[in-house]
Amino acid sequence: QVQMVQSGGELKRPGASVKVSCKTSGYTFSSFYINWVRQAPGQGLEWMGWISGYNGNTNYAEKFQGRVTLTTDTSTSTAYMELRSLRSDDTAVYYCARGDWNFWAQGTLVTVST
Amino acid sequence: DIQMTQSPSSLSASVGDRVTITCRASQDISSFLGWFQQRPGKAPKSLIYAASTLQSGVPSKFSGSGSGTDFTLTISSLQPEDFATYYCQQYSGYPFTFGPGTKVEIK
Repeated sequence: QVQMVQSGGELKRPGASVKVSCKTSGYTFSSFYINWVRQAPGQGLEWMGWISGYNGNTNYAEKFQGRVTLTTDTSTSTAYMELRSLRSDDTAVYYCARGDWNFWAQGTLVTVST
Repeated sequence: DIQMTQSPSSLSASVGDRVTITCRASQDISSFLGWFQQRPGKAPKSLIYAASTLQSGVPSKFSGSGSGTDFTLTISSLQPEDFATYYCQQYSGYPFTFGPGTKVEIK
C-alpha cells in the first residue's frame, strides 16, 4: 500500500533553514511528481511547488522562488523540501502529496520563533 | 494568479442533509479542478479531480460538477464523518491555488 511519511516537527529561529523529508513507499517513485503544500495555523492550503520523481525537474510557486529547494533521493524514494531565511510567518504545517493528490503524508509542523 | 473563491465560508447542517458548496475561479480553468476534505488535525484527502471524477475509494455520496469558472461539490446525505472543511483547487495554471475553504458543521 502507498505510504508517505514525513520527518518530525522542527523549531527554528528566524533566518535559519529547515529541511523536511517525505519518504514514500508502495508505488514507483519515478512515476509521479511530489507536491509540497503548507498550511499556516487556522489558515487554508498553499501550494509551494512540485518535483518530478523521474528526473528531478521542479516548478516553484513564484512566492517561494529563491527561498525553497525541492530535491529527491531516488535510491530511497524520498523527497525533500528546504526552506531558507525563515520568518515567523513561515510557521505552518508542511505537507507532501503525490502528484495525483491521492496520497498525502501526515504533515510536519515547522515553528519559527525566537 | 488564478483566484479561487468558495461559498459559503461555513454552513451548519444536520445528518442526512444534502449539502452543496460552490467554487468559482477568476478565469476559465476548463475542468482542471479538484475537491479536498480536511478533518481537524489531519492531512487533506482528495475527493474529486477533473471537476467531476471521484477518486478511487471515495463514496458516491460525493459528486462534483461544473466547468469553466463555476463548480459545485454536493454531498447527498451528510454523515457524521463528513463534518470537515472542504477546499477546491485549480491546477489549470501556475501557481496551483486553493479556495479559502468551506467549514461544514453540525447543526
